[in-house]
Formats: sequence, structure tokens, C-alpha cells
Amino acid sequence: SQQGEEDPQALSIQEGENATMNCSYKTSINNLQWYRQNSGRGLVHLILIRSNEREKHSGRLRVTLDTSKKSSSLLITASRAADTASYFCATVLPAGNDMRFGAGTRLTVKP
Amino acid sequence: DSGVTQTPKHLITATGQRVTLRCSPRSGDLSVYWYQQSLDQGLQFLIQYYNGEERAKGNILERFSAQQFPDLHSELNLSSLELGDSALYFCASSVGTGWYTGELFFGEGSRLTVL
Repeated sequence: SQQGEEDPQALSIQEGENATMNCSYKTSINNLQWYRQNSGRGLVHLILIRSNEREKHSGRLRVTLDTSKKSSSLLITASRAADTASYFCATVLPAGNDMRFGAGTRLTVKP
Repeated sequence: DSGVTQTPKHLITATGQRVTLRCSPRSGDLSVYWYQQSLDQGLQFLIQYYNGEERAKGNILERFSAQQFPDLHSELNLSSLELGDSALYFCASSVGTGWYTGELFFGEGSRLTVL
């Protein structure tokens, strides 16, 4: 069963704009991870944020985590056509014996 | 290139048949994970092995089984196949024992089509 729900399901923006994707989850977590998947390809890890962290940055990526609201957001700044992909959040449960993916956000960046 | 190798890339078979999917993890990674991705179910965790031992189990059907061999490669066996088993099957690997330590490295997947 899926734990996270991404919002929106699909997002279309112009190159240079920022893209924000949200993830909500239902239970307590140990950490939350974001992955990217190009069409039909394997998933690529982007960033991990632990439950005691509120914000992390990696290049053009900024991730926030609000454990009180059980939500996270992924911001991609100055988007590029190459950022076109599906983005998934994945939550790791406190027992560390499961990682559940959301349904993903399909991002399209138009050149 | 993640360093995780999956074979075959594509597989077409008939209902009732049995197939084996193979995964070679990144060099040095001891954990192997299997995931199923389908349009209706999304990404579902199936099973994890660490250094040859089953470590965690997810939504794996009884018709499915897996193992990790001494050389750390893993195989996922799918039997009595049904139409609904058509999906993309991913293998991932990590250095550590679980998801606490972070990123999984995913292979490119094996696309199974059951006719």
C-alpha cells in the first residue's frame, strides 16, 4: 500500500520557472526521500531528509519537511527541460523495515 | 549508470508460466531490494535481502519468491503468472542493511508482459 501522496499529479512549467511538488504521508517516519524517474527508466535518488530535519538543499533542489503536518515539499529552482520526469517521495517507517513510495508527480518542463 | 544490472530488460510470456528475473547489485552493496511498478498499484516493495538473508518482506505474493546468492546477486522468481503480474520489476541495492542510511541505487528494470 502507498504511504505518500504527491500533489499535484502533473505539473507543466516553462524552462527557468520553479517547480514545487508536495508529498503528504500518514504515519510517523524515520526519513523521507525523493527520487526521480525518467520515463520507463530506473529511479534516481535525489535527497534524503530525516525526521529531525526541517530543510535540506542539494544544488537546485530544496526539500522541506513538516512532521506535524506529515508533509514534505520538493522545490526545483530554475528548471530545465532535462528536469522533465516523474518525482516520487518515499517514506521510511521508524522500524526501518519498509520504504513506501507515493504515486508521483509528473513534471514537464517546456523549453 | 547506477551500477545495478538487471536482466532481462523485456520479457513476454503467457499466463500460467514461470519466469526468473536476475539482479546484480553495485559492487560492495550487500542489500538487494525488489520493487514492482504498475500503473494501478504504483511502486510496491516486494522483498529485501541482506548478505544472503531475507531482511524485510513487503507485498510479495506467495507465487513469487526470491533469493540472494553468495556472490550477492539476486533472483526473483514469478510463477503461475497472471495478467495482473504485468509490470516493471526493479531491483535496487544499498550498502547498508536498510533504508535508514539512505539512498537506494536502482537498476533499469525488467518489463514483464503476461499475455
